[in-house]
Amino acid sequence: QLELQESDSGLLRPSQTLSLTCTVSGASINKGGYSWSWIRQPPGKTLEWIGYIYHTGDTFYNPSLKSRVTMSVDRSKIRFSLKLNSITAADTAKYYCARGVEPSDSFDVWGQGAVVTVSS
Amino acid sequence: QSVLTQPPSVSGAPGQRVTISCAGSSTNIGANYDVHWYQQFPRKAPKLLIYNNNIRPSGVPDRFTGSKSGTSASLAITGLQTEDEAEYYCQSYDSRLSGYVVFGGGTKLTVL
Repeated sequence: QLELQESDSGLLRPSQTLSLTCTVSGASINKGGYSWSWIRQPPGKTLEWIGYIYHTGDTFYNPSLKSRVTMSVDRSKIRFSLKLNSITAADTAKYYCARGVEPSDSFDVWGQGAVVTVSS
Repeated sequence: QSVLTQPPSVSGAPGQRVTISCAGSSTNIGANYDVHWYQQFPRKAPKLLIYNNNIRPSGVPDRFTGSKSGTSASLAITGLQTEDEAEYYCQSYDSRLSGYVVFGGGTKLTVL
């Protein structure tokens, strides 16, 4: 059974870089037909798609965040990562990793989420 | 402001039927992109409820039905149960800019 688990990030200061890793167990990132996404949810607000990466390393980002986002997949193909630079309080959110099912990008498996707070 | 518009809240009594709308435009739902629905309980991750407009993943009761027409989509819940009280989100894809995944603003379902 596929499970996703985000790493902890916790409290960050403005202008720092947010770094999160999602560990995939029960399946391989290497399997075609899926994308691997980061999605965030600020407190009391809706979901916002950040971007996704394929096992090939190809990435697609939300245009509103594209200038600050980098995603990567590690060589073991059991982890993928998110980096978001120049963070502000507006980046405070719960960050989820999720598997997307091609071609329509429904997200069928989610991690439990990692709370990230940006505060000076 | 979300690209997909949902009512902030809906309510119904146990056993009743409610619908949650998801209004889009010609660059997302109207462009024939699929719509998906998620159910989220407080402090929990969203759960896929309906995918590709009207398909239920295994384990989702047939009380939940999705539909799509033109530039909008709907989620219908029949035989409301107290455990259905949750937040519901629609999701699709928008072709503007270089294309991106979009979510609705969410609808809080209250079972009276």
